[in-house]
Amino acid sequence: GAGVSQSPSNKVTEKGKDVELRCDPISGHTALYWYRQSLGQGLEFLIYFQGNSAPDKSGLPSDRFSAERTGGSVSTLTIQRTQQEDSAVYLCASSLRPGTGVEKLFFGSGTQLSVL
Amino acid sequence: KQEVTQIPAALSVPEGENLVLNCSFTDSAIYNLQWFRQDPGKGLTSLLLIQSSQREQTSGRLNASLDKSSGRSTLYIAASQPGDSATYLCAVSSNDYKLSFGAGTTVTVRA
Repeated sequence: GAGVSQSPSNKVTEKGKDVELRCDPISGHTALYWYRQSLGQGLEFLIYFQGNSAPDKSGLPSDRFSAERTGGSVSTLTIQRTQQEDSAVYLCASSLRPGTGVEKLFFGSGTQLSVL
Repeated sequence: KQEVTQIPAALSVPEGENLVLNCSFTDSAIYNLQWFRQDPGKGLTSLLLIQSSQREQTSGRLNASLDKSSGRSTLYIAASQPGDSATYLCAVSSNDYKLSFGAGTTVTVRA
């Protein structure tokens, strides 16, 4: 596609349920990032995938959060046993040439997650 | 831990006025700095990227400066238009991929 695609755009779930958020990066982009944006706060780094290297999971807030990237393309962020504090916009981004210092990140429109 | 601060949090100006948005960061050992624009309900759009060895970048009416030693960057938007109304985010990277974001400056340009 022309840009980074995320689905669903909105997700309302009940506390304790599991949710899956999907990200389709720009074709050919080897780097993929997940960020979280909570109301009134800056973006928080969650996880980074680069090619076939082990992902940097240092930003995942708890073991209820996990992410995978299949075939170096589509990524899924899974939140188990959701809590109300998980409510936020989850943003995915991809880039073409990581490590050069000149790459720009292209963001999707995000998934607005609301945990009731 | 890198801390990024943006001042002011919100700004309202009449059309045609120049905009000055400020960003400060605590750790001067950065890899690069980016300015993004975010429209309501949308993702982020990268506006300008300044490498650590550069002092400024320009794109059209936008100009961003970087002073690493003082931990500051400024985004200038000349001759503002209502279409410039959005939230502007500053982000710095301390390695080749992990960005630390400020909370943003929300700009309103009044017609």
